[in-house]
Amino acid sequence: GEDVEQSLFLSVREGDSSVINCTYTDSSSTYLYWYKQEPGAGLQLLTYIFSNMDMKQDQRLTVLLNKKDKHLSLRIADTQTGDSAIYFCAESPGAGSYQLTFGKGTKLSVIP
Amino acid sequence: DAGVIQSPRHEVTEMGQEVTLRCKPISGHNSLFWYRQTMMRGLELLIYFNNNVPIDDSGMPEDRFSAKMPNASFSTLKIQPSEPRDSAVYFCASSPPSPNDPTDTQYFGPGTRLTVL
Repeated sequence: GEDVEQSLFLSVREGDSSVINCTYTDSSSTYLYWYKQEPGAGLQLLTYIFSNMDMKQDQRLTVLLNKKDKHLSLRIADTQTGDSAIYFCAESPGAGSYQLTFGKGTKLSVIP
Repeated sequence: DAGVIQSPRHEVTEMGQEVTLRCKPISGHNSLFWYRQTMMRGLELLIYFNNNVPIDDSGMPEDRFSAKMPNASFSTLKIQPSEPRDSAVYFCASSPPSPNDPTDTQYFGPGTRLTVL
């Protein structure tokens, strides 16, 4: 079945860039998503990338997709303490499907 | 819009007791998901409903767990009898029908933190 892998922890200093990595196994993935979970809250969609794209930028966020290696990354520029959260990578198996397979999440800690 | 509503937000119960978690999806959404989140296993999909019908319940751990969706605006997840290993955060999420926008994907509720003593 599908599998999504992420490293569990990342610690960065305020103002530095953060890079969160993810690998997935399902080659038929249509959309790949990044969700953010703040303490005590549910998951919120941050951004997504379509499988035929290799990069997407949205303000401080840059998503890179290497479809050949099935590798996805999320770069947060100028990381702030408010970015401290758990970041989940997720893949959608096909167009129009809302079933998402999530990674275990990467806990980002920002050191002031 | 109020978003996905879950109740209670916190539940503490004793082993052997019945626990019922509730979810109200976003109005107009026709898919509903129940997830369980633990440190060890991460986020696990328990069950997925579409148009009030259970489509995939392969993630439901065992017969102690049951989920219902009697109408488009309400779903329950019941654990009977509860065990300490059921302690987790349970999330409900909903999604709209036939979207044109990939950002119109799953919307999560705030979760119910369940502690079974």
